Order: sequence, then structure tokens, then C-alpha cells
Amino acid sequence: ETGVTQSPTHLIKTRGQQVTLRCSSQSGHNTVSWYQQALGQGPQFIFQYYREEENGRGNFPPRFSGLQFPNYSSELNVNALELDDSALYLCASSLYQGSSYNSPLHFGIGTRLTVS
Amino acid sequence: SQQGEEDPQALSIQEGENATMNCSYKTSINNLQWYRQNSGRGLVHLILIRSNEREKHSGRLRVTLDTSKKSSSLLITASRAADTASYFCATDTTGFQKLVFGTGTRLLVSP
Repeated sequence: ETGVTQSPTHLIKTRGQQVTLRCSSQSGHNTVSWYQQALGQGPQFIFQYYREEENGRGNFPPRFSGLQFPNYSSELNVNALELDDSALYLCASSLYQGSSYNSPLHFGIGTRLTVS
Repeated sequence: SQQGEEDPQALSIQEGENATMNCSYKTSINNLQWYRQNSGRGLVHLILIRSNEREKHSGRLRVTLDTSKKSSSLLITASRAADTASYFCATDTTGFQKLVFGTGTRLLVSP
């Protein structure tokens, strides 16, 4: 089985710009979540997608948005970048069946975003 | 915001010794999970313990959960240099895997 892959691995942007990060879920998984991890901190939940719809959001402003595609790949878009958006962005996938999750979260190795 | 706080923030031991990390959290949970993170492999799931369980084992890992104290511990026995990583506890309050991570414990295992 293929794992979760993210692209690009590193990205440098300027304040005010927009960025799109991409994620390919592990094969067989139908749910994708995005997390932001600042240096020296634990990851923070941004949002989760299931069946191409947002299925919960953490404490992040609307300029953070996402998409899930029919093949379960996903994008994270951030508009009007701020310096504090500099972080490691992690994508995670899992399988939701019936009324429960049947697998733990499988994480990619992340995209390191630097905003200057 | 961080739900969990890990203790200690950093831990340095020799190979063969045991390592114990503690996690405290603030609200009622559905389950609590432990993850390991190193630069080469990203976040890797180690073990999940549900709110109605008190102890769980997986290989050299032992996790305990005390819901009355809102705390959990992770014990790694017979540590190896390859166990060097950051360890995070993550709480799931809804059962829908919207995890709230703690601040992490950095473990260094020296040969």
C-alpha cells in the first residue's frame, strides 16, 4: 500500500501571497485531515474532509481553505499569508466506515512553509 | 490551543534503560493516542487507548490512562538509539479523529 505523500516538501513565500499544498491519501482511505505544526509545538488541527465536504474545523481563520477530490487527494490553500503561518503542514488520512474509524491517522512527512 | 501537556519536555537516557513520559489533558475524551515524530518519517501512530481502558501494551510500549486524573503515561522499555524522537499524546474528544496534540517530549537515547 502507498503511504501519504505531500508536495512540495519545502516552500518559501512572501507575506500577502497565496499558497497551495497538496496531499495524496494512503490508498483505501477516504478521510483527510490537515494539521499545522509550529516549531517546537505539537500539531494543531486545521480541518478534516470526508466525501469532499469539510467535516470539522479547528481554530483557524477562513483564509485557510481546503478541497478533497473524488480520488481522495486533497489541497490546503492559504490566502494572504502572514509571518505566523510559517510552520510544518501535515496531511493525514484514515478510513471511515459505517459509524467509526477503522484505522489510526497516517501522516505524511509534511510541507515546510516559510513566510518572509 | 494545546489540550495536553507532556512531562518531561526532554528526557535523556542510555540504551537499555526505560523511558516514561506523562501527559495531562483538560477535557473528557473518547480516546487518547500516542505518536512518535522524527525528522525522517514524520508522525507515526504508536498506540490508542479508549476512555474505558486503563492499560494497553504493544511490544515494548505500555500506556496507562487515568480518566479521573485526566492523565496518561507512556513507558518504553529497554530503549534503543532508534527510539530517539519526539513523542506526542493526542486526545480525541469526539471519536472522529479530530486530534488535539500536546506539546511533546523529546527523547534522546544514547548508545
